[in-house]
Amino acid sequence: DQQVKQNSPSLSVQEGRISILNCDYTNSMFDYFLWYKKYPAEGPTFLISISSIKDKNEDGRFTVFLNKSAKHLSLHIVPSQPGDSAVYFCAASEWGDKIIFGKGTRLHILP
Amino acid sequence: DGGITQSPKYLFRKEGQNVTLSCEQNLNHDAMYWYRQDPGQGLRLIYYSQIVNDFQKGDIAEGYSVSREKKESFPLTVTSAQKNPTAFYLCASRPPDRGGGPQHFGDGTRLSIL
Repeated sequence: DQQVKQNSPSLSVQEGRISILNCDYTNSMFDYFLWYKKYPAEGPTFLISISSIKDKNEDGRFTVFLNKSAKHLSLHIVPSQPGDSAVYFCAASEWGDKIIFGKGTRLHILP
Repeated sequence: DGGITQSPKYLFRKEGQNVTLSCEQNLNHDAMYWYRQDPGQGLRLIYYSQIVNDFQKGDIAEGYSVSREKKESFPLTVTSAQKNPTAFYLCASRPPDRGGGPQHFGDGTRLSIL
């Protein structure tokens, strides 16, 4: 049973536009959420996180939004750049416990 | 520089053979994790360890074993009981802060069957 779901396997966005990656979760006990970026044959790199006491966290071009009632979070990348082309993983955990990952969304930034 | 080192980068296993993947970290992190990545499957947790001399099974522990004798090291053995071992294996560690913080990952080991 998948606790963290990324329903879009891939997404294509024009360079300079906004990329929106979505993630849903089922476990209401999750209170810490993360986004990772991964290039082929490399380990994931941490991008941004948010705790359940917030509904938004911003870091440069990256913003994560959390809607606890809908059990939904999203990652916004503005503006999208060619180097953003990668696989993005959504992840969640209960405070201090193991982190559960989604299956990932492959983002293609088009020139 | 501090980080997580996985070795080797590529590994080949013969049928019926056990192989051990190395993971070393110098970040002074208490918690360490092993994940497996298959195409279209994301990262699935094999084993994790919150502290030295203690570890727990993840979602897909069958056919794998681990040890945590030192804080810096968390080797993963892929045993002959693992019938489909071909995958990309990722090791991660996490700081001891309350709430854990984000995991830091190594660059992975790709295991293939001869």
